[in-house]
Amino acid sequence: QKEVEQDPGPLSVPEGAIVSLNCTYSNSAFQYFMWYRQYSRKGPELLMYTYSSGNKEDGRFTAQVDKSSKYISLFIRDSQPSDSATYLCAMSERGSTLGRLYFGRGTQLTVWP
Amino acid sequence: NAGVTQTPKFRILKIGQSMTLQCTQDMNHNYMYWYRQDPGMGLKLIYYSVGAGITDKGEVPNGYNVSRSTTEDFPLRLELAAPSQTSVYFCASSYSYTIYFGEGSWLTVV
Repeated sequence: QKEVEQDPGPLSVPEGAIVSLNCTYSNSAFQYFMWYRQYSRKGPELLMYTYSSGNKEDGRFTAQVDKSSKYISLFIRDSQPSDSATYLCAMSERGSTLGRLYFGRGTQLTVWP
Repeated sequence: NAGVTQTPKFRILKIGQSMTLQCTQDMNHNYMYWYRQDPGMGLKLIYYSVGAGITDKGEVPNGYNVSRSTTEDFPLRLELAAPSQTSVYFCASSYSYTIYFGEGSWLTVV
């Protein structure tokens, strides 16, 4: 089974804190790594997308992939109350159909003012 | 731009009933998907389609059927509903690894 492990939290931090969200996986064929944000009673929306290992930064968000450890992270700097949501990691195998994703359970984040 | 539109938003079904969840997208994407999300769990792929007339099974296809007669529409059919099909259903479409999800359909089978 292609498992993606993610601590569901909940995680509660004060405004301005740095948030670290993580996922581990067991399938070495995973090549594409994504982070989705999901607000309550809404569909997931893509935050970050990374191919293979390395870092990617977009504003206050940084995604890291360590394929040797099968570990991915999402960092949120200067967190805001509007960042309160569930964050889902997702992965896809090389050569697989686009959008055939394997998701973690999601981490529920609350940023309080 | 409507994106991915799902109907109905909420539905209660009795055990053994059948229904169709509708999904349409206006982005001319070839790839479309149906995922389900159980409480506290990640999304799991039910079926997907790479173009009109082509569909394939995902991780959890049992109890469901799909068809893709047009690029825009990808309905999901539930036959003989069971309590285990109580879930939130998300339709999605993509042209690359940017996948666009609909708002979800909440289904309860009682």
